[in-house]
Amino acid sequence: DAKTTQPTSMDCAEGRAANLPCNHSTISGNEYVYWYRQIHSQGPQYIIHGLKNNETNEMASLIITEDRKSSTLILPHATLRDTAVYYCIVRVINTDKLIFGTGTRLQVFP
Amino acid sequence: DTGVSQDPRHKITKRGQNVTFRCDPISEHNRLYWYRQTLGQGPEFLTYFQNEAQLEKSRLLSDRFSAERPKGSFSTLEIQRTEQGDSAMYLCASSPTLTGVDEQFFGPGTRLTVL
Repeated sequence: DAKTTQPTSMDCAEGRAANLPCNHSTISGNEYVYWYRQIHSQGPQYIIHGLKNNETNEMASLIITEDRKSSTLILPHATLRDTAVYYCIVRVINTDKLIFGTGTRLQVFP
Repeated sequence: DTGVSQDPRHKITKRGQNVTFRCDPISEHNRLYWYRQTLGQGPEFLTYFQNEAQLEKSRLLSDRFSAERPKGSFSTLEIQRTEQGDSAMYLCASSPTLTGVDEQFFGPGTRLTVL
């Protein structure tokens, strides 16, 4: 079973920041937080991952709370193409499978 | 295109028939994964390979399912005696085993419909 809890859906206006929360209260010390997204009719796409420090790449920023029990994925300037299901996953790095939950359906509107 | 490719993209079959799907991973990615996704759900892990060795199989992978990766490159997933409950999107992913790189690259999937 997935070890994370996410809201079922969220809306965001185009050009605004999208902040997607994730709870992972049972995360272990050696587990990382990963984010993937799945645009309709495509395979999932990796976004970012982190252990305890905040991370940023060209797609997004990942903010992890100090106690590591929750995190937030930030898309700084959402576009219509960011409309997708976003999955938060916790996992030991370089292990095998990803365990997906049902994710958050983000709808970006004009 | 150097991404993960899957063939066919769509398959419609009748209950009881056998089907086989193919996945071509990104070149030199030695890990290959199969997932299944039903409508409204996230992908569920089925099995994965490190080179040609199948290292883990989910309990979802009943004895009607078999996966191979004979030369450590492409992989096939076969479903025998298909059932309507097998209707789903079958996703393949690959990843390298390089320190600091831990991203699975997914293909577009094969959508199976069992009538």
